[in-house]
Amino acid sequence: EDQVTQSPEALRLQEGESSSLNCSYTVSGLRGLFWYRQDPGKGPEFLFTLYSAGEEKEKERLKATLTKKESFLHITAPKPEDSATYLCAVPRTNSGYALNFGKGTSLLVTP
Amino acid sequence: EPEVTQTPSHQVTQMGQEVILRCVPISNHLYFYWYRQILGQKVEFLVSFYNNEISEKSEIFDDQFSVERPDGSNFTLKIRSTKLEDSAMYFCASELRNEQYFGPGTRLTVT
Repeated sequence: EDQVTQSPEALRLQEGESSSLNCSYTVSGLRGLFWYRQDPGKGPEFLFTLYSAGEEKEKERLKATLTKKESFLHITAPKPEDSATYLCAVPRTNSGYALNFGKGTSLLVTP
Repeated sequence: EPEVTQTPSHQVTQMGQEVILRCVPISNHLYFYWYRQILGQKVEFLVSFYNNEISEKSEIFDDQFSVERPDGSNFTLKIRSTKLEDSAMYFCASELRNEQYFGPGTRLTVT
């Protein structure tokens, strides 16, 4: 069965304190790994797609990387507005692109 | 910037009633999805739709659910006889080049 596991479940950082979120996956034949941001009561907001090991993508203070078994979302010098839940997802096996999501990491950045 | 819209934002219904949730996907997108998120749980895939037919559905999407694209812009999810356990946020997403963009969601409360 496809598995997407995110850690930690929750993370509290001080403004400016860099850290990384982890997403590990077990899926046959990865066809992309997707990162989303979700604010409370809102829909997931697309951040990145990674397709192959070694690939990296950046957006403002966020950088996503991919290995054969996991992905990291690095947050450099975070600000309070980066507080959100970060979701990782992979396409379901034997599927089109219907996504199988992890439970997310809830990030709180305090001033 | 184009975005997915959903109506209503909040729907309260009694158990056993039918509800229709509406979505307007991004206009040049071809694949459409419905997901749900029960409070405190992960986002779960329900159904995907392409070329006016269901392309894939999950085990959650049973005979109580149906989807339709009644015209060139709307995409609907119908639940025929709601149950208490259908209470959740329902998200519509549309996809272009393997990237899914989510709407703000409809919060469905079944009493």
